[in-house]
Amino acid sequence: EVQVVESGGGLVQPGGSLRLSCAASGFTFSSYWMNWVRQAPGKGLEWVAAINEDGSEKYYVDSVKGRFTISRDNAKNSLYLQMHSLRAEDTAVYYCMRSVDLWGQGTLVTVSS
Amino acid sequence: QLVLTQSPSASASLGASVKLTCTLSSGHSSYPIAWHQQQPEKGPRYLMKLNSDGSHNKGDGIPDRFSGSSSGAERYLTISSLQSEDEADYYCQTWGSGIKLFGGGTKLTVL
Repeated sequence: EVQVVESGGGLVQPGGSLRLSCAASGFTFSSYWMNWVRQAPGKGLEWVAAINEDGSEKYYVDSVKGRFTISRDNAKNSLYLQMHSLRAEDTAVYYCMRSVDLWGQGTLVTVSS
Repeated sequence: QLVLTQSPSASASLGASVKLTCTLSSGHSSYPIAWHQQQPEKGPRYLMKLNSDGSHNKGDGIPDRFSGSSSGAERYLTISSLQSEDEADYYCQTWGSGIKLFGGGTKLTVL
């Protein structure tokens, strides 16, 4: 089955760190751009970060630059999002997305004291 | 600056058709987009990629009731024979120079 499955969400205090993972299966992971997209409670979709097929190009939305790092391990068919200096406004469901055509089910990150 | 504009809400009756619009900002009328559906309390689902010439590639299992078209900077999603499960938020998305961008979404109510 073609799918991506996120994990690693949870409750973290402001200023803390968290690492999200996304496991891909059923397709040639190394052939696709991958993305993280988030959705704050009651809000719309917001693209967060993208990485190209071999990891040599990375792009971020301005609000997370310098705090979040996207990476991938093609040998493990996995995508990651390392998040530092987390803020309350980072609270959201985080989705892993293949290119523009495949979504995961999401993992909830809550930043609160 | 690349921006996508969607109307916040739309409504149509059960069994009728509805056409949702996504507008690309000035200077970006050739960009392709993707349409996504998010039903209440669910994650998003890819519907189709839509090119500036109106050609589109739908995702697996997307019913024929869903179709796309284009005119200039406007990208459309038409849903015919509306069903109750079509009540959802619909987002358009585009991309360029590595970044991705979503429109604000349209909440579709099926009356």
